[in-house]
Amino acid sequence: EAGVAQSPRYKIIEKRQSVAFWCNPISGHATLYWYQQILGQGPKLLIQFQNNGVVDDSQLPKDRFSAERLKGVDSTLKIQPAKLEDSAVYLCASSVGGGATGEQYFGPGTRLTVT
Amino acid sequence: KNEVEQSPQNLTAQEGEFITINCSYSVGISALHWLQQHPGGGIVSLFMLSSGKKKHGRLIATINIQEKHSSLHITASHPRDSAVYICAVKGYGGSQGNLIFGKGTKLSVKP
Repeated sequence: EAGVAQSPRYKIIEKRQSVAFWCNPISGHATLYWYQQILGQGPKLLIQFQNNGVVDDSQLPKDRFSAERLKGVDSTLKIQPAKLEDSAVYLCASSVGGGATGEQYFGPGTRLTVT
Repeated sequence: KNEVEQSPQNLTAQEGEFITINCSYSVGISALHWLQQHPGGGIVSLFMLSSGKKKHGRLIATINIQEKHSSLHITASHPRDSAVYICAVKGYGGSQGNLIFGKGTKLSVKP
């Protein structure tokens, strides 16, 4: 079965520019997650979708970050405007359900560098 | 204090050595995950545990719920095992599916 797809794999932008990341989860997975992983740290959840609804976006910096999953499948994460501290790997993951023991499958990540 | 602590932070081993990575957590959990992250960022799930022990090839994961501790063991280590190993737990309460991650253990296996 195909895994979680993400694009682009790498992106370099200047501060104050905008950027968007795309994620295609595993077919049939209702739950989709976006994580931010700063170098040397573990991933931090930004937002969790169940189908096309938001379950948790408590750690999403909403003044600059936005995410959507309009048809309950693909998702995009946008940063506008970017700051230097946004440099990180952005990971998308999906799971069949959002339950406590549901296994998450991760994509390859998008490495963002803000200069 | 982080809710999930891993040790060691960095580990260098010679090929063939037995490796242990430890994870301690401070919250009640419903499940614990061991993940592997290779350079480039992609993460692969190795194990999901809620009790006892699991084995997959040369990898063994154990968990002691009472002591809030888990270990990941690699037998007969190989250079291709070089990666960052991350422990993540799902606590009770909060949004379903949320994982709390450790900072990872960077393993380097020398030939």
